[in-house]
Amino acid sequence: AQKITQTQPGMFVQEKEAVTLDCTYDTSDQSYGLFWYKQPSSGEMIFLIYQGSYDEQNATEGRYSLNFQKARKSANLVISASQLGDSAMYFCAMTLYNTDKLIFGTGTRLQVFP
Amino acid sequence: AAGVIQSPRHLIKEKRETATLKCYPIPRHDTVYWYQQGPGQDPQFLISFYEKMQSDKGSIPDRFSAQQFSDYHSELNMSSLELGDSALYFCASSLKGSNQPQHFGDGTRLSIL
Repeated sequence: AQKITQTQPGMFVQEKEAVTLDCTYDTSDQSYGLFWYKQPSSGEMIFLIYQGSYDEQNATEGRYSLNFQKARKSANLVISASQLGDSAMYFCAMTLYNTDKLIFGTGTRLQVFP
Repeated sequence: AAGVIQSPRHLIKEKRETATLKCYPIPRHDTVYWYQQGPGQDPQFLISFYEKMQSDKGSIPDRFSAQQFSDYHSELNMSSLELGDSALYFCASSLKGSNQPQHFGDGTRLSIL
């Protein structure tokens, strides 16, 4: 069965430092997509970054980058130069080739302190 | 840029009542999704529509139904509401494809008394 695992319930990082949020996935499909979403305390769900299973280069979007290690089935999110506004819940999610529905992990709550 | 619009933002109902949640997708997006997020949980997929036809179904109770209309807006109808239906309900839209990012609305927070 397809599954996303986020083993860090909570993470702390100091402002301006980099932080890595872990995500591993389990699927036997060869074609899949990996996504990261941010959910602030206000509740909305914000798309951050996408990595396709056939993409050879790691995805980057501004301060966000995705460390994709296919053999290890990991898709860690790296946030550089953390800001106080980065404090939120972060969800890793996956889609499979034959279905567009997002399968979410349990999330990691990131807190950035001054 | 236009985002996904959901209404209402908050809804309070009593047990056994009915509720209708509305979603207006981003213009030109052809696929709409509904997710349910319980307190402290990750979002769970309920149902999706592509070009007004149901395309996938998840863990949606039989008491719930949904449809997508000719103008692409979608409605989630919930009947015989139970305490356990209290949750944040998200609508998301995207272009068709598993590689397309889904853009979420702000959600409807449903509370059942």
